[in-house]
Amino acid sequence: EAGVTQSPTHLIKTRGQQATLRCSPISGHTSVYWYQQALGLGLQFLLWYDEGEERNRGNFPPRFSGRQFPNYSSELNVNALELEDSALYLCASSPGLAGRHEQYFGPGTRLTVT
Amino acid sequence: AQTVTQSQPEMSVQEAETVTLSCTYDTSESDYYLFWYKQPPSRQMILVIRQEAYKQQNATENRFSVNFQKAAKSFSLKISDSQLGDAAMYFCAYTETSGSRLTFGEGTQLTVNP
Repeated sequence: EAGVTQSPTHLIKTRGQQATLRCSPISGHTSVYWYQQALGLGLQFLLWYDEGEERNRGNFPPRFSGRQFPNYSSELNVNALELEDSALYLCASSPGLAGRHEQYFGPGTRLTVT
Repeated sequence: AQTVTQSQPEMSVQEAETVTLSCTYDTSESDYYLFWYKQPPSRQMILVIRQEAYKQQNATENRFSVNFQKAAKSFSLKISDSQLGDAAMYFCAYTETSGSRLTFGEGTQLTVNP
């Protein structure tokens, strides 16, 4: 069974640009979560999507947004990039209602803002 | 708000020995889930073990076991017969039964000495 996949592996952007990160969940999983792992700040929850809708949002500005597609894959968009957005962005997926509490992570996308 | 605290930024253990990583959490919920995740240098987050709060029995997965003390809000991870491949950052994590997000501790960097 394929795990959670993320693309690209690395992304280098300039301050002020937009970044798009992609995630494909484990087959059969309907929930997708996004986390930011910045140096010195630990793992911070960004967004949760389930059945195509945003269900919960962490304490991040509106320039962090995303969506979930009918096939349950997801995109994270970061607009007006700032230097402090440089981080590892991790995507996780979980099954539906019966097992939503258990999350499986992808390998991450390393975003560097210069 | 729920918080998770790992008071040991770094730990080391000799190969084949046993090590215990500590974690405390704060919540007003009576039912929830706790996890230990492992993040090796590859940065891939790997689920090590999970514990449901309503279960009194401590979870065990091969060489990994937990000591769950609900009243004390403590959730420690014991690694027996430590192996070189166990070297990684270990994160304690909490989620409510709704599974809306994982709240992570700061992490403990485990070194295994040959």
